[in-house]
Amino acid sequence: KQEVTQIPAALSVPEGENLVLNCSFTDSAIYNLQWFRQDPGKGLTSLLLIQSSQREQTSGRLNASLDKSSGRSTLYIAASQPGDSATYLCAAVFGNEKLTFGTGTRLTIIP
Amino acid sequence: DTAVSQTPKYLVTQMGNDKSIKCEQNLGHDTMYWYKQDSKKFLKIMFSYNNKELIINETVPNRFSPKSPDKAHLNLHINSLELGDSAVYFCASSQRGGGTGTQETQYFGPGTRLLVL
Repeated sequence: KQEVTQIPAALSVPEGENLVLNCSFTDSAIYNLQWFRQDPGKGLTSLLLIQSSQREQTSGRLNASLDKSSGRSTLYIAASQPGDSATYLCAAVFGNEKLTFGTGTRLTIIP
Repeated sequence: DTAVSQTPKYLVTQMGNDKSIKCEQNLGHDTMYWYKQDSKKFLKIMFSYNNKELIINETVPNRFSPKSPDKAHLNLHINSLELGDSAVYFCASSQRGGGTGTQETQYFGPGTRLLVL
């Protein structure tokens, strides 16, 4: 069964610190992986998309990596800010099928 | 301009009623999706359409029927609503079609919060 897991479910970090969010998946035959953020009561905002042929993608203070052999992806946030507080979701496409979501990590940046 | 829009934003209704949720995207994408986010915040795909054609149909009750009048619209009609249908329903779209839409970034609407009493 193809599954995506995110641990921990919640994380609190002081403002200004760098942090890493984790995502693991059970099938190395991954097609791509996407990171989203979801603010309370809002929809999902796409942050980064990594194709299976790529090892990382960067956008501003965000860097996402993909390691298919270990079944892991990480989202690195540099110099965290209170505005980064949100739930972060990773989602993987296995083969050429549908997007399978993790359960998310709720991030709180403490001012 | 809103890229993916959904109406209504909130929907409160009684058990047994029939309701529809509308979705529109102005991105020119070929593929559209419906997702359900349950009370535990877990997101799961329900349907996917490419150019008005059904591509993905997960195991959802047949009380749920998607309809795509054109590739910019994907509506979700729900018959005989049940308490367990209470959730947030998200519409999304992506550029590529033919089932390969999942290769591309998906853009999500703001969600429709459905509460069945």
